[in-house]
Amino acid sequence: DARVTQTPRHKVTEMGQEVTMRCQPILGHNTVFWYRQTMMQGLELLAYFRNRAPLDDSGMPKDRFSAEMPDATLATLKIQPSEPRDSAVYFCASGPQGTGRNSPLHFGNGTRLTVT
Amino acid sequence: SQQGEEDPQALSIQEGENATMNCSYKTSINNLQWYRQNSGRGLVHLILIRSNEREKHSGRLRVTLDTSKKSSSLLITASRAADTASYFCATANQAGTALIFGKGTTLSVSS
Repeated sequence: DARVTQTPRHKVTEMGQEVTMRCQPILGHNTVFWYRQTMMQGLELLAYFRNRAPLDDSGMPKDRFSAEMPDATLATLKIQPSEPRDSAVYFCASGPQGTGRNSPLHFGNGTRLTVT
Repeated sequence: SQQGEEDPQALSIQEGENATMNCSYKTSINNLQWYRQNSGRGLVHLILIRSNEREKHSGRLRVTLDTSKKSSSLLITASRAADTASYFCATANQAGTALIFGKGTTLSVSS
């Protein structure tokens, strides 16, 4: 059963440190999304890619967040420097072409980030 | 801003009862999707209903869509303890390129 893989599952770091989260999308899926989930805000769309090209990253604080797809099997979300307000669960999701219109998303199990 | 909003925020029922969750959205849609999230896990797609459909069934799930009211409902019949989870509705953003999720309904089914 194909699935989206995210690493690490948990990350605890101190304020000011760099954090890198990784995602392996499902093979053949050409759209990749990063979401952040908190109790207060729910699921927020941070950024997404199609065919490895960034489509929209307007949901991301650009001064500290960056998202890339070095290749089709790896998406990364980096926070530098991290702040306590970045504490959340970060989800990666992938989908086939048409995601957003007619196709479902497949989610990883998330990276739970705690910044102290 | 979020496209969909679920109601109620939390729902507690007994096993065997039906659970109904509602979703309201703001703009026109091509389709609406429902997802489920178990504690500590990612979201899992449950069902997609297109804008020209009024009702759709999948096992114990029944989804309705009323585009005139911009609302959808998810009914889980004969609920089980294993149905305990959060349920989210999602619709496409304006560009149709990404899904926007509501804040979800947390369902608790006790045995």
